[in-house]
Amino acid sequence: DGGITQSPKYLFRKEGQNVTLSCEQNLNHDAMYWYRQDPGQGLRLIYYSQIVNDFQKGDIAEGYSVSREKKESFPLTVTSAQKNPTAFYLCASRPFVAGEQFFGPGTRLTVL
Amino acid sequence: EDKVVQSPLSLVVHEGDTVTLNCSYEVTNFRSLLWYKQEKKAPTFLFMLTSSGIEKKSGRLSSILDKKELFSILNITATQTGDSAVYLCAGANAGGTSYGKLTFGQGTILTVHP
Repeated sequence: DGGITQSPKYLFRKEGQNVTLSCEQNLNHDAMYWYRQDPGQGLRLIYYSQIVNDFQKGDIAEGYSVSREKKESFPLTVTSAQKNPTAFYLCASRPFVAGEQFFGPGTRLTVL
Repeated sequence: EDKVVQSPLSLVVHEGDTVTLNCSYEVTNFRSLLWYKQEKKAPTFLFMLTSSGIEKKSGRLSSILDKKELFSILNITATQTGDSAVYLCAGANAGGTSYGKLTFGQGTILTVHP
């Protein structure tokens, strides 16, 4: 089955710890995106990558880092510098010439 | 800075009602306007609108774009309880390294009562 997988579904961490969220796609999509969603709000863009080994900051990149070493994978690290990390994190991908993005199931991160 | 605003923020209706959701946008190098439906987890794609005045339709859902007024609407006729969800609209950028970048609105929470 083709699709986007995110793991884990739920993640709990203590304050001050870095945590890495996984995003993998087997759709052969070129572009990948990370969003954050807070309760009652829309999606805000954290980082995105149009091709392997290249990525750009989105609107709320502070306290986050990413890598794109493989086309299939775009992990997001939430660092201890992120002041309010508890949120629902969504990964998405897009074929090169298409407009729509396709979303993974999301990871709900709770920092205790 | 790109901006997308949706209204209303929430809407409560009864089954069978017709609803109209609104989306206004200010997106540099605008390419297209997208609508998604989100039920608890991942948003699912509904429509992508690129041309002004051409209605896109899928069952009871339809949408249209006005590029002069920078506005889009999503209509749902004969609503059902299964239509209860958050509806998100997003503007897509067409410029350079921002190609395909989406700016989302806050979403409209639709609740359909039996």
